[in-house]
Amino acid sequence: AAGVIQSPRHLIKEKRETATLKCYPIPRHDTVYWYQQGPGQDPQFLISFYEKMQSDKGSIPDRFSAQQFSDYHSELNMSSLELGDSALYFCASRSRDRNEAFFGQGTRLTVV
Amino acid sequence: AQTVTQSQPEMSVQEAETVTLSCTYDTSESDYYLFWYKQPPSRQMILVIRQEAYKQQNATENRFSVNFQKAAKSFSLKISDSQLGDAAMYFCAYRDMNYGGSQGNLIFGKGTKLSVKP
Repeated sequence: AAGVIQSPRHLIKEKRETATLKCYPIPRHDTVYWYQQGPGQDPQFLISFYEKMQSDKGSIPDRFSAQQFSDYHSELNMSSLELGDSALYFCASRSRDRNEAFFGQGTRLTVV
Repeated sequence: AQTVTQSQPEMSVQEAETVTLSCTYDTSESDYYLFWYKQPPSRQMILVIRQEAYKQQNATENRFSVNFQKAAKSFSLKISDSQLGDAAMYFCAYRDMNYGGSQGNLIFGKGTKLSVKP
């Protein structure tokens, strides 16, 4: 079965640089979520989209932005990167008629 | 605001034995969903089991079952016949039902690290 695809899997950036993370949800899933998981932490909700419109916003810094495109893939744009942005970034998708969200394998971002 | 508490940072179980991971939550809602996710060393988040709050029957998935006590706001996970592959971080998570335009994001507990001894 198709799963949530995230790219890249690993990314190394320097402070103050910009990063773009991509997420391709499971086909026919209409909701996408982004989560940030710091080392030894639980995942924290950043932002979600439903049918290409922003739905909910969590603890997403102003330096970050996200959007969902017509083909339902989503991108998380991160600017002015800080060392504290180093984390595992998960994308998850869900179909509106199902209760559970399925996670991608995550993008590990390291800011040096 | 909803919160999820996992009071056991680490647990250990002998292979083939049974272990129970605890989770409590706080919400003022009457309808919601609860989940257990497993995160092995690969860091992939894998859904283990889900429970709808309106269902009184406890969910079961093979060796995994839950004890859902709605009045006590408790949602524990029981793993029977533990296997070495069960070793992982386990996260309890809560999600509201969809209200208006909200899609109900997951709220996670801090996790319980489960070790399985051969």
